[in-house]
Amino acid sequence: LAKTTQPISMDSYEGQEVNITCSHNNIATNDYITWYQQFPSQGPRFIIQGYKTKVTNEVASLFIPADRKSSTLSLPRVSLSDTAVYYCLVGDRRTGGFKTIFGAGTRLFVKA
Amino acid sequence: EPEVTQTPSHQVTQMGQEVILRCVPISNHLYFYWYRQILGQKVEFLVSFYNNEISEKSEIFDDQFSVERPDGSNFTLKIRSTKLEDSAMYFCASSAWESSDNEQFFGPGTRLTVL
Repeated sequence: LAKTTQPISMDSYEGQEVNITCSHNNIATNDYITWYQQFPSQGPRFIIQGYKTKVTNEVASLFIPADRKSSTLSLPRVSLSDTAVYYCLVGDRRTGGFKTIFGAGTRLFVKA
Repeated sequence: EPEVTQTPSHQVTQMGQEVILRCVPISNHLYFYWYRQILGQKVEFLVSFYNNEISEKSEIFDDQFSVERPDGSNFTLKIRSTKLEDSAMYFCASSAWESSDNEQFFGPGTRLTVL
């Protein structure tokens, strides 16, 4: 499983765009990149998943450069309720064994 | 919207006692997982389960742990003889099809306190 590296924490203000970058230098050909969000005392929640280029949904965008050695989660116009821990995960969607490894995550703190 | 449920929300037990944590995954999901999160630390994978058998397990999931799908709806985690260091939040998750990073739906967790 590819190891991921993310900033430990980030601060932002309401209404700003937040970009969280994750490094995964050893990503394999079959690996996808997935981001989860976790609020205190709750289970993680899926945000977005992608393989290459750009993926966008109603919550976030995920930018993946051509070499796929990093990815950036973009949260548009954050609000106080986006204060959470964000996890970047890398893994093969097609393997029968699925050992999902969460890293330390990035703690985002949104201020008023 | 379907969701994963877990019971109890909080379990307090004495060291050495057995505990069973229960989960009801989303009904059409086939893949089930247990994770734990010690207070202030990261989410740790324990085990994944498919087709009535363990698919993967971590180093944490030793002989003190077992999982079972006793009927068509429940998925349980048993800790045979709890230790103080088993105190943590335990999350159950389920997903619809085979992949390590397909969307997993997490339950609200069971907070286990071992005294």
